[in-house]
Amino acid sequence: SQQGEEDPQALSIQEGENATMNCSYKTSINNLQWYRQNSGRGLVHLILIRSNEREKHSGRLRVTLDTSKKSSSLLITASRAADTASYFCATENKAAGNKLTFGGGTRVLVKP
Amino acid sequence: DVKVTQSSRYLVKRTGEKVFLECVQDMDHENMFWYRQDPGLGLRLIYFSYDVKMKEKGDIPEGYSVSREKKERFSLILESASTNQTSMYLCASSPWGRAGQETQYFGPGTRLLVL
Repeated sequence: SQQGEEDPQALSIQEGENATMNCSYKTSINNLQWYRQNSGRGLVHLILIRSNEREKHSGRLRVTLDTSKKSSSLLITASRAADTASYFCATENKAAGNKLTFGGGTRVLVKP
Repeated sequence: DVKVTQSSRYLVKRTGEKVFLECVQDMDHENMFWYRQDPGLGLRLIYFSYDVKMKEKGDIPEGYSVSREKKERFSLILESASTNQTSMYLCASSPWGRAGQETQYFGPGTRLLVL
């Protein structure tokens, strides 16, 4: 199974609402990253959180990391139609030669 | 801004053909990566490279090879394309000498259909 697994697989919300998605992983990590992918395009990096950090903010994005539970969450506040995309977590794993391992993603639809 | 470009957005090939996918980055990054993306499976690493002429197998290297003759260019080769290689192929690059330690910058992807 994937090192990083996102939950839920899909999310539909109204513009202005918050969107929360979670990522769970199995092995020790150096860092965890979140990426966004608009339909049919490449991935764009959103935020990186290191294993010794617990929370990080970037604009309307808030990421938390709980290494004891091996999980992370991405919160998008005051969502906009332009936030419609797939969101992926990626873990850099100490056991995997420091490569990034991506989860299956969460598809987010923000309805205007 | 970092720019990663891929030679084609869409490609249609026949079973058995040799296929070349080219990726070029303009930020002098040491690391370059090839992934394939399939619905429900996320991104899976095919090959990566730390430097010119260096290559390392990823999680699914079977049926693929790579070439890195120049720092800015990383090519993915399908020696004999098969229908199960129909997929979206994404190239990425990152700075530093060790893969994955920093943010990866992605190209727009190549959607390959093998008939």
